[in-house]
Amino acid sequence: SSELTQDPAVSVALGQTVRITCQGDSLRSYYASWYQQKPGQAPVLVIYGKNNRPSGIPDRFSGSSSGNTASLTITGAQAEDEADYYCNSRDSSGNHHVVFGGGTKLTVL
Amino acid sequence: EVQLVESGGGLVQPGGSLRLSCAASGFTFSSYEMNWVRQAPGKGLEWVSYISSSGSTIYYADSVKGRFTISRDNAKNSLYLQMNSLRAEDTAVYYCARDLGSGTQYYFDYWGQGTLVTVSS
Repeated sequence: SSELTQDPAVSVALGQTVRITCQGDSLRSYYASWYQQKPGQAPVLVIYGKNNRPSGIPDRFSGSSSGNTASLTITGAQAEDEADYYCNSRDSSGNHHVVFGGGTKLTVL
Repeated sequence: EVQLVESGGGLVQPGGSLRLSCAASGFTFSSYEMNWVRQAPGKGLEWVSYISSSGSTIYYADSVKGRFTISRDNAKNSLYLQMNSLRAEDTAVYYCARDLGSGTQYYFDYWGQGTLVTVSS
């Protein structure tokens, strides 16, 4: 089955821009979706498809994709953006499974 | 307002069984595909199982295949996960999540708050 790889931890200075990446073969066939999870809370969808934000998600969150890599960009990171971020997509091996990346812990300095 | 509320978690001995429920409201449950996703303590998210809107199509992660059974009752707006032959490594918070997407994009747009399953003697 497919795997999605994320950097375990990333940090960004308050107000600066940060990119969180997700790599995997399945991303050549499917768009990644991105989830934000704060401690003790359920994941929240922040980006899906080519670059779509659900209602209520600030426009500082954006997504992009190239080849086998998907990226989540936060432009002007805020203190409240400190969280774990997970990517996921459908498995491209044909088994209709879903795969998640290992998650990236974002620290806002 | 879309709401997903899980229940049924608890402490169970290895080899035991547990049935999780997810009560849905605020949307036409019978029109949506659903999933179970779990998260072991301090670990990442792991997809567990998928069920189509009618219940006719089901998939499982290899780690639970043959032990877990997903089902739904559209008349009761409810999703279930029957977990048998539980192992210590099944210890996790279990989330139900609504599935959206088609073609090249698949995503979980709403999640419940989760229910904790602890497998321990």
